[in-house]
Amino acid sequence: GESVGLHLPTLSVQEGDNSIINCAYSNSASDYFIWYKQESGKGPQFIIDIRSNMDKRQGQRVTVLLNKTVKHLSLQIAATQPGDSAVYFCAASSGGYNKLIFGAGTRLAVHP
Amino acid sequence: EAGVAQSPRYKIIEKRQSVAFWCNPISGHATLYWYQQILGQGPKLLIQFQNNGVVDDSQLPKDRFSAERLKGVDSTLKIQPAKLEDSAVYLCASSSLLGSNQPQHFGDGTRLSIL
Repeated sequence: GESVGLHLPTLSVQEGDNSIINCAYSNSASDYFIWYKQESGKGPQFIIDIRSNMDKRQGQRVTVLLNKTVKHLSLQIAATQPGDSAVYFCAASSGGYNKLIFGAGTRLAVHP
Repeated sequence: EAGVAQSPRYKIIEKRQSVAFWCNPISGHATLYWYQQILGQGPKLLIQFQNNGVVDDSQLPKDRFSAERLKGVDSTLKIQPAKLEDSAVYLCASSSLLGSNQPQHFGDGTRLSIL
């Protein structure tokens, strides 16, 4: 079946460094991708999204890159801060009904 | 803008009991989703509503789970009878349009523990 997976369950970085979280998806028909941040005891918080007609999209300190050829996307966080510590999920959907398939998440730990 | 509201925040019940969760989406959002998030996993869609109609309930265990959105605004999700494997966080999300991919906005969920 359709799947979305992250490459690493955990990622540890130093404060101020850039973080890169990777994600792979299986369905070549996926046309919408989204990243969420989830802190302990809270619901997923929207970070950034990208549609399949784009390769790159930037937000505030975050960039999402989409490589449709290898079915891979990544989330880059610039100048990582302690407040960025959380679990990050990527999700993908296809067909326009906004049905998201989530990956298992990567836990980002930021050390001073 | 007020976010997605869910209650209760926590619920502890014994197996075979029933439980209900409530969700109020962001004002004006026509599409509402219920997800189950088991510890250490990503959210899994249970059911999706467009206004008061069901768009997708293919992953809802219909022998024990039910959901409704009678007036097209708030929604309830019920489990009866509960099993141990139902221990999870139940998340509600909403988005403004169906047929147009856009971000879903989540509430903080109800954490359900089955004893």
